[in-house]
Amino acid sequence: DSGVTQTPKHLITATGQRVTLRCSPRSGDLSVYWYQQSLDQGLQFLIQYYNGEERAKGNILERFSAQQFPDLHSELNLSSLELGDSALYFCASSVAWDYTFGSGTRLTVV
Amino acid sequence: EDQVTQSPEALRLQEGESSSLNCSYTVSGLRGLFWYRQDPGKGPEFLFTLYSAGEEKEKERLKATLTKKESFLHITAPKPEDSATYLCAVRAGNAGNMLTFGGGTRLMVKP
Repeated sequence: DSGVTQTPKHLITATGQRVTLRCSPRSGDLSVYWYQQSLDQGLQFLIQYYNGEERAKGNILERFSAQQFPDLHSELNLSSLELGDSALYFCASSVAWDYTFGSGTRLTVV
Repeated sequence: EDQVTQSPEALRLQEGESSSLNCSYTVSGLRGLFWYRQDPGKGPEFLFTLYSAGEEKEKERLKATLTKKESFLHITAPKPEDSATYLCAVRAGNAGNMLTFGGGTRLMVKP
């Protein structure tokens, strides 16, 4: 157990729907990062939050959004889902330069 | 733009056959080069962080080295349980401190 908890582990949904992925960082970590990993691409950085504030944005689609709550857990919201959004979504948390990844959420859009 | 390229994309080795994986990078202001191991369907598992050219780190059969342009992950006498995808990532000195990943090397070690 890495200490980073992601739920759900698997999610199957239809095109056009909206889903929410949840991440609880390691105790004490203030930064949360979201990554997408699809079959034909490596890990792509989506967005980072630090202590509730958005810190950096990567290649995140406008249909996607995220937030970090006062208890430091984070949610990634994916809307108007398309087949191409099927992927593994990973959350990582860090303190200083120590990054730890969760086990991911596998999203399948049908 | 930060770029990380890993080679080869896939590598098949016999048990005990040593080899090296390459990670070439272009980044403005390297603040760390990271190696992770990823098993199918699981999250990346941290292996090493290297910060400056000339630095080396070892863990069991793995040894990571760093130059100003690339890093190598040397695998000595690999075992089947070393089969996994090995990911290289860099952290640049920009706002956010996110990691930029390479495409990975899929390693298969046959008994």
